Amino acid sequence: GIQVEQSPPDLILQEGANSTLRCNFSDSVNNLQWFHQNPWGQLINLFYIPSGTKQNGRLSATTVATERYSLLYISSSQTTDSGVYFCAVDPNTGNQFYFGTGTSLTVIP
Amino acid sequence: ETGVTQTPRHLVMGMTNKKSLKCEQHLGHNAMYWYKQSAKKPLELMFVYNFKEQTENNSVPSRFSPECPNSSHLFLHLHTLQPEDSALYLCASSRGVGRNTEAFFGQGTRLTVV
Repeated sequence: GIQVEQSPPDLILQEGANSTLRCNFSDSVNNLQWFHQNPWGQLINLFYIPSGTKQNGRLSATTVATERYSLLYISSSQTTDSGVYFCAVDPNTGNQFYFGTGTSLTVIP
Repeated sequence: ETGVTQTPRHLVMGMTNKKSLKCEQHLGHNAMYWYKQSAKKPLELMFVYNFKEQTENNSVPSRFSPECPNSSHLFLHLHTLQPEDSALYLCASSRGVGRNTEAFFGQGTRLTVV
């Protein structure tokens, strides 16, 4: 099946800092989503972004489908941004979402 | 609130028990999914239902038995589980399967098998 790799695996930031999370995938995809998993386990939808660029407040994401990667930008990070960020893709050949291993983000005050 | 509700939120069961997890979506979606999230592992897809028909079963042991009575409800029946089945079980729904389908997840059921 499709391989989904996220980097970095762990990230510690000072509050107010900016960061970029990366998601690489090994095949063409229909869909790509970014999620934030909070400490209680809930997956919160951040972006549905199979291609192009979107922005939502301090967060933005860019997917370059032809080069098989997506980036999630977090600006002016806050402690509430802490948690695990997942990228999930739905390949052209399938009807299921494949998740990456996630980036664990800790924002310290 | 994502429109996908899972109950219970926490469950502790013995290896000889039978229990069920419930998922309900209020989004008018046609596809529903069960995922398993074990510690230090990516989310693993277990089952996919599209218009109440099972379309994916990712080699899940028979001690996990899904049921989808309609497009809004999905159950996962559990029996004779093992301690290694302890995990967070997440339900998701989407408008359909394939192109242009965004998935929404419930809060999860944290299962402990003792």
